[in-house]
Amino acid sequence: SAVISQKPSRDICQRGTSLTIQCQVDSQVTMMFWYRQQPGQSLTLIATANQGSEATYESGFVIDKFPISRPNLTFSTLTVSNMSPEDSSIYLCSAVGRENTEAFFGQGTRLTVV
Amino acid sequence: QKEVEQNSGPLSVPEGAIASLNCTYSDRGSQSFFWYRQYSGKSPELIMSIYSNGDKEDGRFTAQLNKASQYVSLLIRDSQPSDSATYLCAAGDSGGYQKVTFGTGTKLQVIP
Repeated sequence: SAVISQKPSRDICQRGTSLTIQCQVDSQVTMMFWYRQQPGQSLTLIATANQGSEATYESGFVIDKFPISRPNLTFSTLTVSNMSPEDSSIYLCSAVGRENTEAFFGQGTRLTVV
Repeated sequence: QKEVEQNSGPLSVPEGAIASLNCTYSDRGSQSFFWYRQYSGKSPELIMSIYSNGDKEDGRFTAQLNKASQYVSLLIRDSQPSDSATYLCAAGDSGGYQKVTFGTGTKLQVIP
């Protein structure tokens, strides 16, 4: 299984500002995903981070709000832009390896917007 | 809209008993299924994956898959208080895209 390091682990941010979350995998992976988990709810896929091209966003999520980069096969970032209290959530990075279909998760970033 | 349905619980079982967690999915083309355990405030941890009809056992855990009924289950034998967590069922995308859809999770409480 891949080991995924995600940072920051938590942050408290002012509304209107932006936060960039980093995700580093210890091996090359085919797919990387970004999820959001709001309090008491399950995981909602934000987008698929594609290496060398624009991310693929799910319904309800847009690039202007959640820009994503994936410059190589082991690293991705998610930016939460122009934050509001409604963006307070846990954001999770996930990766799927080359040899299998199981997805593994980073430790998550707990974001609070005040 | 692809969906994965789970009873939110809580499911309470006494220590040492068998906990049975159930899940149904809507995408008939899904070929891969996963169970994750999530402790409060932590990220999901993969417990089991299953791809073929029947049972798959790993230690105290047994995953069961019935594609005809679009049904997945997880049995936890000899339940321990440390098993108390939310269990998320997930189904892989039928398009072979390696994207998964998660259920809302079942909260399990193992009573000492």
